[in-house]
Amino acid sequence: SQKIEQNSEALNIQEGKTATLTCNYTNYSPAYLQWYRQDPGRGPVFLLLIRENEKEKRKERLKVTFDTTLKQSLFHITASQPADSATYLCALNPIFGNEKLTFGTGTRLTIIP
Amino acid sequence: GAGVSQSPSNKVTEKGKDVELRCDPISGHTALYWYRQSLGQGLEFLIYFQGNSAPDKSGLPSDRFSAERTGGSVSTLTIQRTQQEDSAVYLCASSLEGRGDTDTQYFGPGTRLTVL
Repeated sequence: SQKIEQNSEALNIQEGKTATLTCNYTNYSPAYLQWYRQDPGRGPVFLLLIRENEKEKRKERLKVTFDTTLKQSLFHITASQPADSATYLCALNPIFGNEKLTFGTGTRLTIIP
Repeated sequence: GAGVSQSPSNKVTEKGKDVELRCDPISGHTALYWYRQSLGQGLEFLIYFQGNSAPDKSGLPSDRFSAERTGGSVSTLTIQRTQQEDSAVYLCASSLEGRGDTDTQYFGPGTRLTVL
């Protein structure tokens, strides 16, 4: 069956360190993968998109990698800050040419001052 | 407003009643999506509207769920004969063209539905 797994429900990281979140998928061949941030009581906010032919994408302190052989994406936040504390969701399109997204259950990240 | 808005923000209803949830997408966005997020679960796709095309209803969990999009703008998600398992946050999103590889989905704040 098709599945998206994010490495853990919750992750605690010391301020200033790099936080690394994992998204693994099985039985999909997505054309792209997206990462979102969700704060309590709010809708998700888009952060980054990476395509299947891209190995890495960066935006300020954020970096995403995409390994289609391992069927895995890694999401890194460098020099983490307490304001980075949120739930992070990965999402992919399960069917090429179909734009609806399938989301993982998310990882709740807490940056400890 | 500049963003996606949803109403009501909270809805408490009794089992068996019908509810309507409203979504106002960003002006000019042709694509509109409804998702459901239950406690501890990821976002579950429900339905997708793109321009004048027939909606993709493949995510609707039962025939008690329906949605309309009038005039290519406002959308209403209707749940008939609500059940306790319908309790969740219902999120609406819109995007400019519905091209997932180029444009971004913008989410509303959601409607928290509680069925007693």
